[in-house]
Amino acid sequence: QVQLVESGGGVVQPGKSLRLSCAASGFTFSTYGMHWVRQAPGKGLEWVAVIWRDGTNIYYADSVRGRFSISRDNSKNTLYLQMNSLRAEDTAVYYCVRYNSDYYYLDYWGQGTLVTVSS
Amino acid sequence: QSVLTQPPSVSGAPGQRVTISCTGNSSNIGAGYNVHWYQHRPGAAPKVLIYGNTIRPSGVPDRFSGSKSGTSASLTITGLQAEDEADYYCQSYDASLVLFGGGTKVTVL
Repeated sequence: QVQLVESGGGVVQPGKSLRLSCAASGFTFSTYGMHWVRQAPGKGLEWVAVIWRDGTNIYYADSVRGRFSISRDNSKNTLYLQMNSLRAEDTAVYYCVRYNSDYYYLDYWGQGTLVTVSS
Repeated sequence: QSVLTQPPSVSGAPGQRVTISCTGNSSNIGAGYNVHWYQHRPGAAPKVLIYGNTIRPSGVPDRFSGSKSGTSASLTITGLQAEDEADYYCQSYDASLVLFGGGTKVTVL
């Protein structure tokens, strides 16, 4: 079965960096685009970034462009999110999500990892 | 503030029908992009309820249905049950960017 397991969350000071990882299993990782989506405390879902199956196309939300970087290693079945210059407003649960390109929707979600930006 | 507008909350008694609207514009829903709906219970991962405007994945009860017209879409729950109490989000696109609605909290009275 499809499994997406995020890791790397924790407490970090403003201005510092953190890298999230997402280990994928149960499907051919290299054939799917992948997204990161986050949810701040008490807020709704917010899309963060997408990377196409081969990494050739990458897009970011305005709120993170220039500070966050999405990447993938298809040989390790792993998705990454490098987060730099972190701000308090980046505090959220970060979800790794698989992209279904047949109908362009987000079909499998991980359980999420919590990132807290605080001094 | 989300580009896709949803009511913050809806409520209904068990067995009733509730509808959640999702209003966009000519750059997103009105441009022909599909609308998808997700259910999010506290402490759980979001789960897709409807994709491609109207399609229910296997395992999703048939009391959930979706529709789309013009620049708006709707999710209807027919025969509300206690387990349907959750947050619901619509999702579409604007060019290559993913858009979520602000979310609607469904309360079962």
